[in-house]
This record gives sequence, structure tokens and C-alpha cells, in this order.
Amino acid sequence: DQQVKQNSPSLSVQEGRISILNCDYTNSMFDYFLWYKKYPAEGPTFLISISSIKDKNEDGRFTVFLNKSAKHLSLHIVPSQPGDSAVYFCAAIPDSNYQLIWGAGTKLIIKP
Amino acid sequence: EAGVAQSPRYKIIEKRQSVAFWCNPISGHATLYWYQQILGQGPKLLIQFQNNGVVDDSQLPKDRFSAERLKGVDSTLKIQPAKLEDSAVYLCASSLGHRGSTDTQYFGPGTRLTVL
Repeated sequence: DQQVKQNSPSLSVQEGRISILNCDYTNSMFDYFLWYKKYPAEGPTFLISISSIKDKNEDGRFTVFLNKSAKHLSLHIVPSQPGDSAVYFCAAIPDSNYQLIWGAGTKLIIKP
Repeated sequence: EAGVAQSPRYKIIEKRQSVAFWCNPISGHATLYWYQQILGQGPKLLIQFQNNGVVDDSQLPKDRFSAERLKGVDSTLKIQPAKLEDSAVYLCASSLGHRGSTDTQYFGPGTRLTVL
């Protein structure tokens, strides 16, 4: 029972263009969402988050959009840079136990 | 500021053997988490400590896995005996927060376990 789904295992984007990573969820009790970035042989690092009371949060080149009616969130990276090549995980926190529920990740490859 | 430290980084054992992993969280972080990440999946929480008490261990296979956080700082996770399906990366994370917090979790580099 996957409550957080990242349906694209990988995504390839040209350097300088926009990268859009998608995430769908099934549990309407999630009230906080996060994106983590992971390089090989390292642990995940926090990137950006959004509360369910908002529909957009921006931090530099990174913007997260939340569509609660569609139970969908997306991470936009613009412009994409070679250092953005990594695995991106979407995670959600339910208001019942405040524990992270993770998606399976999307591998982003930025082509020069 | 030092990050979350984990050791060893890699471990190869045969099935039915025992193994232990060590984690030193960021100084001052009250909450410590152990996750299991199987290849191609997101991390799965095994156990969460608040100081030296267990907050949640509902997904810890207690017949073979055990964890402790003596003195509310370092933690060890043990598997005894290991099975082939335990092959995974074991991640330790810590956060400032108390229970019910959305505080950011900071992760160590993980220990990659291979069970042959």
C-alpha cells in the first residue's frame, strides 16, 4: 500500500531547462510535504517543504507546488544545473504520528 | 557543525550471522531515527527514539532486530541472525524536535549491508 508515489523512476533534462518532478499521494490526512535530494553514497538531504495550508513554496531555483484536490505535488527546478543530478524523494507527514512516509524516488539526470 | 556519523559504511556478512551498526547524531538533537532503505525504494522507518526512550518501533522486526540509545546520545542497531532480505542501506537520522514535530531530519551517509 504505497501512500506516496513517484511514478517516474528517472528523468533526463537539458542543462538550463526546467526540471519537473512529480509526486502523488493517497492519504488526505497528510498535512506536510517535503522533498529530499540524495547523491550516491550519501544520506538524503532536506531540500524544500510545504504545509498543506499553502499551494506554493519557493526557495531560490526550487519551487514546490501542492494541489490538494488532486493529491499531487511537484518540484520545479529552474534553471537545471549539472549538480542537480541526484535522486529526489518526495515525503509526507500525516498529522496522526508525524512520521515521514517516503516515495520511491526519481533519478534526475541533467545533460550538459 | 558535525553531521550525523555512522559506521561502518559497508558490511558484508553471511546469512545467520550477526551485525551491528552505530550512529552518533548531531549534538543536541533529541530525536533519533533508524531507517531501512531497500534498493529502488524509499526509506522505511524502523525505530524512533526521543532521548533514550522508544517513540515508535512498530515496523521493527523484533524477532531479529534490536536497537538501543543509551544515555540519549549514540545508538546501535543490531540484526541477529541476518537474512538475505536484510540486504539494504541502513540510515540513521536525527532532529531537534519533540514528538509531534515537523523538524527537519538530518541523515548520516548510511551503512550498506550485503547478506550473502
